[in-house]
Amino acid sequence: EDQVTQSPEALRLQEGESSSLNCSYTVSGLRGLFWYRQDPGKGPEFLFTLYSAGEEKEKERLKATLTKKESFLHITAPKPEDSATYLCAVQAGDSNYQLIWGAGTKLIIKP
Amino acid sequence: GAGVSQTPSNKVTEKGKYVELRCDPISGHTALYWYRQSLGQGPEFLIYFQGTGAADDSGLPNDRFFAVRPEGSVSTLKIQRTERGDSAVYLCASSQNRGRWGTDTQYFGPGTRLTVL
Repeated sequence: EDQVTQSPEALRLQEGESSSLNCSYTVSGLRGLFWYRQDPGKGPEFLFTLYSAGEEKEKERLKATLTKKESFLHITAPKPEDSATYLCAVQAGDSNYQLIWGAGTKLIIKP
Repeated sequence: GAGVSQTPSNKVTEKGKYVELRCDPISGHTALYWYRQSLGQGPEFLIYFQGTGAADDSGLPNDRFFAVRPEGSVSTLKIQRTERGDSAVYLCASSQNRGRWGTDTQYFGPGTRLTVL
C-alpha cells in the first residue's frame, strides 16, 4: 500500500538552530514529491516539487532533497516566522492528480 | 484571480441542515479538487473535476455529499443532512492539468471551517 510518513510530529527549535524534517514514502512509480507549508487557519501553501532522486531545491532558508525512499526539508538558521506545519505529499503511479499525504510536522521556532 | 478563493471562511450549522461551500479557482486552471482536513492530519481527497465533469468522486464519503462545477470554473460542494462528524476544514485546490504524463502542482484556497452543532 502506498504510504507517506512524516517525522517528527512536532519540532521545537530556538531561533537560528538548524534542523531537518523527514518525509518517508513507499509508493510504486514516483511522479513527484511535494512540500507545502500550512499556517494555522489557512490552506497549504506550495513550496517545492521534486521529481527524481538526487534533486534539490532551495527557497530562502529552506532546502528540499530527495532520495529513492525519503525527502528531507532542511531549515537553516530558522526565524520565528518559519513556524508552521510542513506537509509532504506524493504523486505516484498512473495518476497525475492523486496525492498521498503525510500528517505533517509542526515546527515551532522560539525567539 | 490571484489565487484560489473560498467562501464562507467559517460556517456554523445545526445537525440535519443543508450547507453549500463555494470555491473560485485560479483563472485558467481546468482542474479543481475538494479535500477535507481534520486537525493534525493531511488533506483527505473528496472529488476531482476536469472542466465541468467530475473525473473522480471516489473520496466522497456518502451520498449526502455532492459537488458541481457547471461552467468549468466556480465549484460548489453541497452537504445534505449534516452530521457532527462532518465538522472539518474543507479545502479547495486547482491546477493547470498538463495532461496524463505531466505532474500537476495543486494550489490551495484558505479553506472553509465547517462546524456542525
